[in-house]
Amino acid sequence: EVQLVQSGAEVRKPGDSLKISCKGSEYTFTSYWIGWVRQVPGRGLEWMGLIYPGDSDTRYSPSFQGQVTISADKSISTAYLQWSSLKASDTAMYFCARGSYNFWSDSYLDHWGQGTLVTVSS
Amino acid sequence: QSALTQPASVSGSPGQSITISCTGTSSDVGNYNLVSWYQHHPGKAPKLMISEVSKRPSGLSNRFSGSKSGNTASLTISGLQTEDEADYYCCSYAGSGILLFGGGTKLTVL
Repeated sequence: EVQLVQSGAEVRKPGDSLKISCKGSEYTFTSYWIGWVRQVPGRGLEWMGLIYPGDSDTRYSPSFQGQVTISADKSISTAYLQWSSLKASDTAMYFCARGSYNFWSDSYLDHWGQGTLVTVSS
Repeated sequence: QSALTQPASVSGSPGQSITISCTGTSSDVGNYNLVSWYQHHPGKAPKLMISEVSKRPSGLSNRFSGSKSGNTASLTISGLQTEDEADYYCCSYAGSGILLFGGGTKLTVL
């Protein structure tokens, strides 16, 4: 069974750096795009961007370009989302999700992680 | 790009049918047959319900169906069950590697 397991909840202060992870299993990690989705408390889902672990090709939503960095380590089947300087407005649940095999033809997310809650507060 | 527009809430009684709309523009929903729908029970991982406007994942109940007309996509749930109570999000490809989500619709099964 395909699984995406995300790292645990984090509490940080404004200005801190942070890297959260998403480990894929039971599929060929390098053959599927991995996307990141934000959910601010009480709000809807927002697309942040995605990475193809096979060659690290990365695309960002214009809203998140320059705000976060998406990366992957294919040797351990893990994708990452990181911030260099957190803001209170980054407080949210963050989900990773696997893109469909032919993502650029059918563009859906077929498996999701359980989410990582990031709380940024002084 | 702006988020796709969904009603904030819909409700129905067990056994009834409901439809959730998702309105975009000619640059996203209207331009691509790449609308997907996700069910989200708070605290759990979202779940794919419909892809490419109307395709159901293997094993998913045929009570769930999707359609599209112009810039508006729709998710219909027939034979409502209490376990269908959740948040539902539409999503459309919008070009250039971008996905747009709707604001979400809270389904209440009365």
